[in-house]
Amino acid sequence: EVELVESGGGLVQPGGSLRLSCAASGFTFSSNWMDWVRQAPGKGLVWVSRISGDGSSTSYADSVKGRFTMSRDNPRNTVYLQMNSLRAEDTAVYYCARDYNGLSSWGQGTLVTVSS
Amino acid sequence: QSALTQPRSVSGSPGQSVTISCTGTSSDVGGYIYVSWYQQHPGKAPKLMIYDVSKRPSGVPVRFSGSKSGNTASLSISGLQAEDEADYYCCSYTGSSTLVFGGGTKLTVL
Repeated sequence: EVELVESGGGLVQPGGSLRLSCAASGFTFSSNWMDWVRQAPGKGLVWVSRISGDGSSTSYADSVKGRFTMSRDNPRNTVYLQMNSLRAEDTAVYYCARDYNGLSSWGQGTLVTVSS
Repeated sequence: QSALTQPRSVSGSPGQSVTISCTGTSSDVGGYIYVSWYQQHPGKAPKLMIYDVSKRPSGVPVRFSGSKSGNTASLSISGLQAEDEADYYCCSYTGSSTLVFGGGTKLTVL
């Protein structure tokens, strides 16, 4: 059974940094693209970033480009989202998702709150 | 990366059918087969319902179907059930290895 577990969320001040992690199990991790998707309180889903199976290719939404970096550690079956220069508008639940025939599996999400 | 356009809300009675539209451009919905749909109940993670325009993952009821015409994709739900009440989001590949979601549609089962 596929399982994705996010961690690392919390309260951070504007301008601060945070690193999210997503531990995966139940599938051949290194063969799959992975994505981060966020959802601000009471708002819709917004795609954030994705990374190829071998980590050689990444892409980002314009709203986070230059501030967020997605990476992965295949031996640890984990993807990361390094978030720098955080802004109030980055406040959201962040989900990681397995990108295989659509975003076929999702974690439970981790809440990031950017506030002073 | 503009969001795809969905109606804010749709409704239907149990047993009826509803269709949710998702309008993009030739650079996203119209240009690729990689359109997917997600169901999200309050406080829960999204769930994949349709991928590649019209394919159903294992376990998704046949009542759910997807289609596309030009720059508009559609999710149809037949035989509405109470548990179908949720938010629905479309998503499309946009090229350059990026994705874009629609704004979401709240389905109310009357």
